[in-house]
Formats: sequence, structure tokens, C-alpha cells
Amino acid sequence: AQKITQTQPGMFVQEKEAVTLDCTYDTSDQSYGLFWYKQPSSGEMIFLIYQGSYDEQNATEGRYSLNFQKARKSANLVISASQLGDSAMYFCASRTGGYNKLIFGAGTRLAVHP
Amino acid sequence: KAGVTQTPRYLIKTRGQQVTLSCSPISGHRSVSWYQQTPGQGLQFLFEYFSETQRNKGNFPGRFSGRQFSNSRSEMNVSTLELGDSALYLCASRPGLSSTDTQYFGPGTRLTVL
Repeated sequence: AQKITQTQPGMFVQEKEAVTLDCTYDTSDQSYGLFWYKQPSSGEMIFLIYQGSYDEQNATEGRYSLNFQKARKSANLVISASQLGDSAMYFCASRTGGYNKLIFGAGTRLAVHP
Repeated sequence: KAGVTQTPRYLIKTRGQQVTLSCSPISGHRSVSWYQQTPGQGLQFLFEYFSETQRNKGNFPGRFSGRQFSNSRSEMNVSTLELGDSALYLCASRPGLSSTDTQYFGPGTRLTVL
């Protein structure tokens, strides 16, 4: 069965600094997708970045990058130049070809301090 | 392109009542999934519909049901409400059923059961 582990319940970072949010996944499938979402206090889940299991390069989307280490089954999110608006919950999720439903981790609450 | 919309945004019901939540996917998206989010259980998958057929189901009692219409709009129904059904219900759409498809979420419906 799929499992996503986010070991950091809460993190804080100073504005303009970079921060890494950890995510490890557990699957025996060879084909899978990894996703990161941001959830502000309003509740809406905002898609940030995607990494496919066969992608050889780490995904990047603006200030977001995904540090994908396949052998270690980790997919850490790196946010560069943090902004106050980055304060939110961040969820790592995965979907395998066989299971085909999105499984979420428990989330990490990020607080950006001025 | 308009995003995923959910109505209503807030609902207050009493135990024993039933409720229907509505979700309109992004134009062209044929898959709609529903999730329940609670502080204790996190994000849990309810079910997914594609072409008016339920394709995948989470581990929820039969009181939770859904359907999808020919225009891909979806409704979720919860009968005989319990206090524990108080949650944020999120709807997400994606183009198809590929494991690499990104799901885009709506703003959610916050249900309170008294």
C-alpha cells in the first residue's frame, strides 16, 4: 500500500531565506507521480509541483523545486526566497499507476517570519 | 479557464439530516474526486467519478455516496449525518485517469454537524 510520511509537523523560516520540507513515500510500484500542494488558511488546496517517477531531472516551478531522490524514496520540496504569503500547510501526495488515487501525507505547517 | 467550483461553501446541519454538496470541474476535465479533511484524520479519499461511473472508492460507510452527470459535474450526498461528519469536503478534477494527471482542487465546503 502507498504511504506518505511528512516528519515535520511545523517549520518556520525567515523571510527571503530558503526552506526544505521533507517527504518520504513508500510504494513498490515503478510508475508513480509525486505532488506537492499548499493549503492556506482559506482551505483551498493549491497545486505547486509534480515529479514523475521516470523523470530524470528534478522538477522546478518558479520558487519551488522538488529534490527527488528515488533510491531513498524522498521528494522534498524546496522553497527559495520565502515570502510572508508562503505561510500555509504543505502536503505531499503520491499516486501510483496501479492504485490510481491520490494519497496525502499529514502535512507540514510553514510559518514565514518577517 | 475557470477553476473548480464548489457549492455551498458553508453548511450547518443537525444530526440525522442529509446533505448534498455540488462540484463543477474545470472545463474539459472528466474526472472528479472527493476528499474529506478533518484535524484528526487528515485528508481522506472518498471516491472518484469518470464518465458518470464511480472508478475508485475510499473506506467510508455507505452513508456517503456520489454521482456524476453527463457534463462532468458531480454531487456528493451524506445521509443520516453524524457529529463526526463535520469536516472540510474538497472536490478535485483532472483531465482523465492517468496516474500522472494533476488534480486541481476547489475551495471546499465546510460542513458543521450539530
